[in-house]
Amino acid sequence: GAVVSQHPSWVICKSGTSVKIECRSLDFQATTMFWYRQFPKQSLMLMATSNEGSKATYEQGVEKDKFLINHASLTLSTLTVTSAHPEDSSFYICSAKTGVNQPQHFGDGTRLSIL
Amino acid sequence: KQEVTQIPAALSVPEGENLVLNCSFTDSAIYNLQWFRQDPGKGLTSLLLIQSSQREQTSGRLNASLDKSSGRSTLYIAASQPGDSATYLCAVRPFGAGSYQLTFGKGTKLSVIP
Repeated sequence: GAVVSQHPSWVICKSGTSVKIECRSLDFQATTMFWYRQFPKQSLMLMATSNEGSKATYEQGVEKDKFLINHASLTLSTLTVTSAHPEDSSFYICSAKTGVNQPQHFGDGTRLSIL
Repeated sequence: KQEVTQIPAALSVPEGENLVLNCSFTDSAIYNLQWFRQDPGKGLTSLLLIQSSQREQTSGRLNASLDKSSGRSTLYIAASQPGDSATYLCAVRPFGAGSYQLTFGKGTKLSVIP
């Protein structure tokens, strides 16, 4: 149980394009989802917290206009990297919670490479 | 601001050896601490979660301890196997209403040599 699916797992695109990453909770409803970014040999850094039906809460230093988050349903959150540039290349991981004091369950991540 | 440090950054051991991974955190006001495993290019798999009131948790060959007052946790792996090769991350959740964010360490990359 508590499976989180991310799609796509790997994407390569040209600089200036926008890329959408999906995060789905497959067998549970997630009122809260989290988006992390991980650079090589670095720790996961929280980008934003996404609550169903409301605006996402972004961490300091994360541009909300560049990283658009939509959490339209209890099983789906999307992260759109707008006008992506090479410095946005990273590993993006989402997680979802089943309840208030429940642990986060993580997706398999999306490798984003911007040429 | 909470900071999580993991030492060593990388570790290579022969198969069958017992080993200890270390994690330290600067702010002892935590709700819980969690150990994860991350395989290359993959997401995170939760291994053990220790609540702030607990001292240790065990699962199979894994044992995690927590000393909140000193800001330390260890992950003990008994009789290591090549399949244990991965990066191990520890993360802490702060204490406080509505505080669900996890702060991660950079991880320890473990290689178990057959």
